[in-house]
Amino acid sequence: ETGVTQSPTHLIKTRGQQVTLRCSSQSGHNTVSWYQQALGQGPQFIFQYYREEENGRGNFPPRFSGLQFPNYSSELNVNALELDDSALYLCATKIGGGNTGELFFGEGSRLTVL
Amino acid sequence: GEDVEQSLFLSVREGDSSVINCTYTDSSSTYLYWYKQEPGAGLQLLTYIFSNMDMKQDQRLTVLLNKKDKHLSLRIADTQTGDSAIYFCAEIISGSARQLTFGSGTQLTVLP
Repeated sequence: ETGVTQSPTHLIKTRGQQVTLRCSSQSGHNTVSWYQQALGQGPQFIFQYYREEENGRGNFPPRFSGLQFPNYSSELNVNALELDDSALYLCATKIGGGNTGELFFGEGSRLTVL
Repeated sequence: GEDVEQSLFLSVREGDSSVINCTYTDSSSTYLYWYKQEPGAGLQLLTYIFSNMDMKQDQRLTVLLNKKDKHLSLRIADTQTGDSAIYFCAEIISGSARQLTFGSGTQLTVLP
């Protein structure tokens, strides 16, 4: 039990639609990162938020966007869905904004784009 | 992760030791991690090692780091069927946006 909860656990969308994935974490976990894990691959970093501001971004287009809220919850939004967006989306949180500290992962939201 | 490489599969007998290997390319890695992922689950941190160390032991787990060869290994002693999972190594690079860069994972199968 990591204290990181993601919703929904599974969802199906069609190409061109928009999706919002949610993550809630333990109090005090003021850093949240989102990762995309395609089938058979390792997770790929999408972006990170610290104290409600984006402070790092991986190689993902602008149609991937996020928000972090004061209550330690966050969202990942993906617009204009493409078939290749089908993946497991993982949220990870930790205390503090530096390189140290354990990242706690949620169990993920599995998105299928048809 | 193109900067972190792992072999895809490993099969061992219950009770034997498992050794999962990983190579990375960025010499400025500061922390290196091992995560475990069971089917349908998120990632569980098993252990990590700071780049100025060459070994870390934690119960059945031993991590070895060869910084010269950029090689990381995870040894699991007395492997059990419950250890069957995908194991990912990951690095954090100094000066990066603090993201983890993962390998593609090694599927460990423990045979009875």
